[in-house]
Amino acid sequence: GNSVTQMEGPVTLSEEAFLTINCTYTATGYPSLFWYVQYPGEGLQLLLKATKADDKGSNKGFEATYRKETTSFHLEKGSVQVSDSAVYFCALTLYNFNKFYFGSGTKLNVKP
Amino acid sequence: EPEVTQTPSHQVTQMGQEVILRCVPISNHLYFYWYRQILGQKVEFLVSFYNNEISEKSEIFDDQFSVERPDGSNFTLKIRSTKLEDSAMYFCASSEAGGDQPQHFGDGTRLSIL
Repeated sequence: GNSVTQMEGPVTLSEEAFLTINCTYTATGYPSLFWYVQYPGEGLQLLLKATKADDKGSNKGFEATYRKETTSFHLEKGSVQVSDSAVYFCALTLYNFNKFYFGSGTKLNVKP
Repeated sequence: EPEVTQTPSHQVTQMGQEVILRCVPISNHLYFYWYRQILGQKVEFLVSFYNNEISEKSEIFDDQFSVERPDGSNFTLKIRSTKLEDSAMYFCASSEAGGDQPQHFGDGTRLSIL
């Protein structure tokens, strides 16, 4: 079937630390992969996406590379800020599907 | 930037009552969706809607649920006879096209069933 597995949180980091949030997937076809972010009290916002193997999605200093060989799409940021504190969701969809499959979300807390 | 808006932000309802959650998708979007997130669990797909009909639904979306686009701007989710296990955050989303196009989400409605 189709599913997304994310590392459990919460992840607590100090400001300027390096961030990695792991995401792996299973899919019945060739998926497109996404990271969404949810700030407190808000909805899910698209952070970045990648639609084919070896593509790198990037936005606001965050990056994720579509790795078909390891079925992974890990989110990274070189230097986190307090304002990055949020819940991060990895998701996939397939070209002929009209729905997203989400991971369970990883809460990130960044301390000053 | 255009956004998806949902009302109310929090709905408290007695078990067995009907509830309608409302959404205004982004105006030029053609595909509409409902998802839910039970506290501490994954965001789960409920239903997608295109061209005035359901294009896909999950097994969660049983006969108790229905969706409607009553006019050119609103998109509603109705739960006919609510159960305790319907308590969750419900997210509406819309996209310009289907498939792998990014979906834009509202802030959600927290539904609490007593």
